[in-house]
Amino acid sequence: SQELEQSPQSLIVQEGKNLTINCTSSKTLYGLYWYKQKYGEGLIFLMMLQKGGEEKSHEKITAKLDEKKQQSSLHITASQPSHAGIYLCGAGTSGTYKYIFGTGTRLKVLA
Amino acid sequence: EAQVTQNPRYLITVTGKKLTVTCSQNMNHEYMSWYRQDPGLGLRQIYYSMNVEVTDKGDVPEGYKVSRKEKRNFPLILESPSPNQTSLYFCASSFFAKANTGELFFGEGSRLTVL
Repeated sequence: SQELEQSPQSLIVQEGKNLTINCTSSKTLYGLYWYKQKYGEGLIFLMMLQKGGEEKSHEKITAKLDEKKQQSSLHITASQPSHAGIYLCGAGTSGTYKYIFGTGTRLKVLA
Repeated sequence: EAQVTQNPRYLITVTGKKLTVTCSQNMNHEYMSWYRQDPGLGLRQIYYSMNVEVTDKGDVPEGYKVSRKEKRNFPLILESPSPNQTSLYFCASSFFAKANTGELFFGEGSRLTVL
């Protein structure tokens, strides 16, 4: 079965610093979703990637899907305290109606 | 406003007392699904529905039931809750049933504690 692994599991950065979160799949990705979650709250959709090499940006957050479609990275430029939360990657398993998610990366931004 | 609404948001119950968590979407979505989120285990899919009267098991269906009698509603039923079902539950929906065809919209979550 397909699995998603996120790294790092947690991250503490100083405000203004750049950071990257990775999501690696055990199988080819046909859709990769990034969500942000405030602790214990709902999931906010950030972006969805489908094509190898595709890159999308939302404000200061950029996500990319590698050419082989097995890894995605989420990059935050000039981090702010408002970026703090849990970042989750998710994917639909190919040819099915099922979704899987990574275990999340907890981000803390120090002011 | 387009949204997925879950109720209740918080619930404390006792072992064996049947409960239902409701989920409703107002976007005419074909696909609806339930997840539970546990520390260290991430988000795991419980059940999903591709359309009215069509449901199937996700990765962790044991102890749960669902039904899809109307397109907008997808309740999660715990017939005899046990403490290991204490978790944060999310309902989600998508316009198309097939995975990876569009955004998956999530509800605000329902925090369930079973004593």
